[in-house]
Amino acid sequence: GQQVMQIPQYQHVQEGEDFTTYCNSSTTLSNIQWYKQRPGGHPVFLIQLVKSGEVKKQKRLTFQFGEAKKNSSLHITATQTTDVGTYFCAPNDYKLSFGAGTTVTVRA
Amino acid sequence: KAGVTQTPRYLIKTRGQQVTLSCSPISGHRSVSWYQQTPGQGLQFLFEYFSETQRNKGNFPGRFSGRQFSNSRSEMNVSTLELGDSALYLCASSLPGTGHTEAFFGQGTRLTVV
Repeated sequence: GQQVMQIPQYQHVQEGEDFTTYCNSSTTLSNIQWYKQRPGGHPVFLIQLVKSGEVKKQKRLTFQFGEAKKNSSLHITATQTTDVGTYFCAPNDYKLSFGAGTTVTVRA
Repeated sequence: KAGVTQTPRYLIKTRGQQVTLSCSPISGHRSVSWYQQTPGQGLQFLFEYFSETQRNKGNFPGRFSGRQFSNSRSEMNVSTLELGDSALYLCASSLPGTGHTEAFFGQGTRLTVV
């Protein structure tokens, strides 16, 4: 079964607005990876977080790993239509255990 | 460099048949993992091969099997196909290491069982 829970499952965002998706685990994670899958595409690696409290930024995307290493978040500012897709978090312990994902749609 | 290549891209099979899917990893990648993606169950881990040995296995029935060749290419086989096996099958390759490396996914094989 899935090791992590992602919320929300769906996120409908007005273009230009910000939103956050969360990834929660009941156990301590050694690391967490984030992937993005565009409609009709395949998952593409975005980032890996390893350290407690780690924060990494990629342009408008900010990734955070919780202090207890049990949760992670992805915050997107000024959403654009190119942000459409499903965002997955996945702990990687020799195998990726994907969350159910947050599917993002954008209203222009 | 070339990415992960999966063949075929699309496949239609009849219930009860068997199917073999192929995955060629990125050159130099020795770890190959397989995933099943369905709308209802999301992305589910099938198995991982490293240096021709199955290193990890997910919770799938024995009808799902795989293997890896000396050149790191991998195949997965599904026997006695069921309607519920209809899914996108994704292969991912990564560099050998501690497991904390990014996975590069292929475009997938869309299997439809009728």
